[in-house]
Amino acid sequence: AQSVTQLDSQVPVFEEAPVELRCNYSSSVSVYLFWYVQYPNQGLQLLLKYLSGSTLVKGINGFEAEFNKSQTSFHLRKPSVHISDTAEYFCAVSGGGGSNYKLTFGKGTLLTVNP
Amino acid sequence: DAGVTQSPTHLIKTRGQHVTLRCSPISGHKSVSWYQQVLGQGPQFIFQYYEKEERGRGNFPDRFSARQFPNYSSELNVNALLLGDSALYLCASSLAGQGTDTQYFGPGTRLTVL
Repeated sequence: AQSVTQLDSQVPVFEEAPVELRCNYSSSVSVYLFWYVQYPNQGLQLLLKYLSGSTLVKGINGFEAEFNKSQTSFHLRKPSVHISDTAEYFCAVSGGGGSNYKLTFGKGTLLTVNP
Repeated sequence: DAGVTQSPTHLIKTRGQHVTLRCSPISGHKSVSWYQQVLGQGPQFIFQYYEKEERGRGNFPDRFSARQFPNYSSELNVNALLLGDSALYLCASSLAGQGTDTQYFGPGTRLTVL
């Protein structure tokens, strides 16, 4: 079975500071990894995904993430955050085997950007 | 192009009632998945349908059922509602529902059970 752990439930930062949101996964098979963002009272929007190839993945809004197979991690980073980045961020995994059709999500990290 | 649409936006029901939620996928997408998001948690997988057939089901009781229509839209039905069914129900569509496919989410239906 697959599982995702987001190590921080809340991350407060100041505007223009760098941020890292941590995600670890467990799976017995190869996985595909995703980061989604959810703004208040909205659905989820894909930020970026890792399927294969280069372990550094660039996404929308200046976000990037690095896949680390040995540490089973997929941390999300942004060098300089804006007030508008305040939202809930979800790491998710899908994978090979019999259940590759579904996404398994972490519990989310609330990023709050303060002026 | 329109994104994934869901109706209704909000719904209030009482315990024991039945509810039907609806989802229209992005044009050209043949797979629809349903997720339940309880307040403060990540979404949990309920069902996936592809080409009108159920491909997978999450760990939810038989009170939950779904179907997909020839136009690829989908309905999620929940019978005998419990207080614990209060949640945001998200629909996601993708081209073929494979693990590599991006799932595009709708805005959700907020269900409150009193």
